[in-house]
Amino acid sequence: DAGITQSPRHKVTETGTPVTLRCHQTENHRYMYWYRQDPGHGLRLIHYSYGVKDTDKGEVSDGYSVSRSKTEDFLLTLESATSSQTSVYFCAISTTGGNSYEQYFGPGTRLTVT
Amino acid sequence: RKEVEQDPGPFNVPEGATVAFNCTYSNSASQSFFWYRQDCRKEPKLLMSVYSSGNEDGRFTAQLNRASQYISLLIRDSKLSDSATYLCAVNSAGGSYIPTFGRGTSLIVHP
Repeated sequence: DAGITQSPRHKVTETGTPVTLRCHQTENHRYMYWYRQDPGHGLRLIHYSYGVKDTDKGEVSDGYSVSRSKTEDFLLTLESATSSQTSVYFCAISTTGGNSYEQYFGPGTRLTVT
Repeated sequence: RKEVEQDPGPFNVPEGATVAFNCTYSNSASQSFFWYRQDCRKEPKLLMSVYSSGNEDGRFTAQLNRASQYISLLIRDSKLSDSATYLCAVNSAGGSYIPTFGRGTSLIVHP
């Protein structure tokens, strides 16, 4: 158990509304990630963070923004949700040791945009 | 060519069977390799890291073939509880902390 929680776990929202998903970790890991997982696409990286206030884009960052003001929290915001953003969102942390970066995932947030 | 490729399956095997999955990667400079297990509607969970010399954890054996650029996962004496999707992940060179995931291979173990 890597001490990762996500909130909310389920959310239904309407097109055009802003949505913020929260990832919280308790073990002071430096690296945090947001992925989305959709059938036929696997896990796709949205944004990641390598420290407080240090973030960068992943392969599917359009329509998403992130913030990390504290080590333990990584927020993902959909500024104006669209139906194409209906997905399962996973947060992850990465351990660091040598050249190995094992990832541990939160339980996920199921987001439905109607 | 995708960076990391897996046969989606499903692999349908009886209990007690031995089954193996491969995962090919395109970046020859890749350094770190992993297998994850994902149950339906759950998060991926790290199953094992893959070391150059190969490694074993109970019924599970992971191997790396750098020459042919693939990793493998062998499951011996399959159990019903092994039914899941198995994802491979590859980190590129230089200590990259951005892994690339395959889309997963589905395993169904039946009685």
